[in-house]
Amino acid sequence: GAGVSQSPSNKVTEKGKDVELRCDPISGHTALYWYRQSLGQGLEFLIYFQGNSAPDKSGLPSDRFSAERTGGSVSTLTIQRTQQEDSAVYLCASKISSDPLGYGYTFGSGTRLTVV
Amino acid sequence: KQEVTQIPAALSVPEGENLVLNCSFTDSAIYNLQWFRQDPGKGLTSLLLIQSSQREQTSGRLNASLDKSSGRSTLYIAASQPGDSATYLCAVRETGANNLFFGTGTRLTVIP
Repeated sequence: GAGVSQSPSNKVTEKGKDVELRCDPISGHTALYWYRQSLGQGLEFLIYFQGNSAPDKSGLPSDRFSAERTGGSVSTLTIQRTQQEDSAVYLCASKISSDPLGYGYTFGSGTRLTVV
Repeated sequence: KQEVTQIPAALSVPEGENLVLNCSFTDSAIYNLQWFRQDPGKGLTSLLLIQSSQREQTSGRLNASLDKSSGRSTLYIAASQPGDSATYLCAVRETGANNLFFGTGTRLTVIP
């Protein structure tokens, strides 16, 4: 597609439920990133994918968080047993890997997750 | 751990004014620094990227400077317009890293 697409745009869930957030990157972008933006906080790195593998998962805050990427394209971020502190905007970004200088990050509009 | 701070957190200026947004970072071993714009309900848009070896970058009415040794960057916006109203984020990429460290942003309002 023309941009990075994230779905749903908004999600309200009850505490303790599992949620799945989806990111559809720009076609041909092999690098994919998930960030979290909590109220009053800067964007916090969660995980980086190169193709289908995740060489850097260092930002995942707990084992309730997991992510996968299939076919070198769509990525899903799953949060199990959601807690109120998980409420945030989850942003996905992609870029071409042959962009070593770091130009050309394209961000999606994010998924606003509210845990009640 | 790299920490990125942006001051002020919010800024309101009348249309036509020139303004400066500030960004500081704690670890000077950066690969590059990037300024983004974020509009409500939308993703981030990259404005300017400065490599660690560069001192400044310009794009239209925007000029970003980098002083790596002191851990500071500024974004200068000339002749501000209401359409410039947004949150401005700075982010650093460390040498050897893949991810970006973001500041908390400066919310700019340009009053017509």
